[in-house]
Amino acid sequence: LAKTTQPISMDSYEGQEVNITCSHNNIATNDYITWYQQFPSQGPRFIIQGYKTKVTNEVASLFIPADRKSSTLSLPRVSLSDTAVYYCLVGDALTNAGKSTFGDGTTLTVKP
Amino acid sequence: DAMVIQNPRYQVTQFGKPVTLSCSQTLNHNVMYWYQQKSSQAPKLLFHYYDKDFNNEADTPDNFQSRRPNTSFCFLDIRSPGLGDAAMYLCATSSTGNREDEQYFGPGTRLTVT
Repeated sequence: LAKTTQPISMDSYEGQEVNITCSHNNIATNDYITWYQQFPSQGPRFIIQGYKTKVTNEVASLFIPADRKSSTLSLPRVSLSDTAVYYCLVGDALTNAGKSTFGDGTTLTVKP
Repeated sequence: DAMVIQNPRYQVTQFGKPVTLSCSQTLNHNVMYWYQQKSSQAPKLLFHYYDKDFNNEADTPDNFQSRRPNTSFCFLDIRSPGLGDAAMYLCATSSTGNREDEQYFGPGTRLTVT
């Protein structure tokens, strides 16, 4: 399984753009990169997923360089409600021999 | 709205007393997962069902069992809870388990062992 490494915590201020980078040096050819957000006492919530290059949806962007050994979750103009733990997952879901495993996560604190 | 429902949200049990946590889904997804999440830690996959096929993680203790009587319901049984089993238990589903599928999580059941 590809192991992921993320910063343990990050601080930001309202209105700023936040970039959280995840390192996954052993990513396999079939692996996708998925990010989840988790608020206290709630289950994780899917944010975005990508395989290569750039993916953008209504809440975030995901940048993946050509070698796919890292990825960056970008949250534009964060608000206080974006304070949460963000998990980067790399894996092949349940197909073949791979499964996605939650890494340690990054606790993002947004300050007024 | 289609969703993943977990009952109860909070469960208190005594040391060694069997307890069952419930999960139901209205998404009609093939795959259902159970995770354990301890305080300030990431969710840890215990096992999953791909349809009726049960798949246990190698390091999941025998004390944890699961049942899936039909597509919609999945249960987590803890046969003899210890103090170390106090945690949030998360149920999740995914459509097919393929690599591009996202997982949909329930709100979790917080288990306290006294």
